[in-house]
Amino acid sequence: SAVISQKPSRDICQRGTSLTIQCQVDSQVTMMFWYRQQPGQSLTLIATANQGSEATYESGFVIDKFPISRPNLTFSTLTVSNMSPEDSSIYLCSARRGQGAETQYFGPGTRLLVL
Amino acid sequence: RKEVEQDPGPFNVPEGATVAFNCTYSNSASQSFFWYRQDCRKEPKLLMSVYSSGNEDGRFTAQLNRASQYISLLIRDSKLSDSATYLCVVNPWMDSSYKLIFGSGTRLLVRP
Repeated sequence: SAVISQKPSRDICQRGTSLTIQCQVDSQVTMMFWYRQQPGQSLTLIATANQGSEATYESGFVIDKFPISRPNLTFSTLTVSNMSPEDSSIYLCSARRGQGAETQYFGPGTRLLVL
Repeated sequence: RKEVEQDPGPFNVPEGATVAFNCTYSNSASQSFFWYRQDCRKEPKLLMSVYSSGNEDGRFTAQLNRASQYISLLIRDSKLSDSATYLCVVNPWMDSSYKLIFGSGTRLLVRP
């Protein structure tokens, strides 16, 4: 299995500010993803982080709000921009080592509270 | 209609009981199916894949019915440590082979 770490693990932010979340995988992976889990809800895919190019966003998510970087095969960042209380959520990094979904693992998540 | 639907529970059962969770999915072209487990305040972890012929892993049995677009998970001889939220997960279709669609989860509480 891949070991995935995220920083920060939690944060409390003021509305209108931005927060960048870092994701580090302990070994090279083929794909990296960012998910959101809102309170009491299940996981929703925000985007696929592509190495060296723009991320691929899912419907309802845009680059201006959630800019993503992936400079190499083991590291990615997600920024939550111009935050509002509706952005309060858990943000999870995920990585897939091989082709199949059975090789996909999740980071511990970043708990974000926006006041 | 949600792409993946689950009964949210909670299912409150005594130790040793057998409990079954159900899940339905809307996209008939879906290719792969999984059950994940998520403990409170933790990340989800793969419990088992679900194969067309049905598969078993110890006390856990997963079944798939493609005609009815229905997935199930059976837990026998429940343990206290089985208390968690169980997420039904579907991989929609080949063109989006990377994408996982999560159900909202079924919460299980196993009591002494």
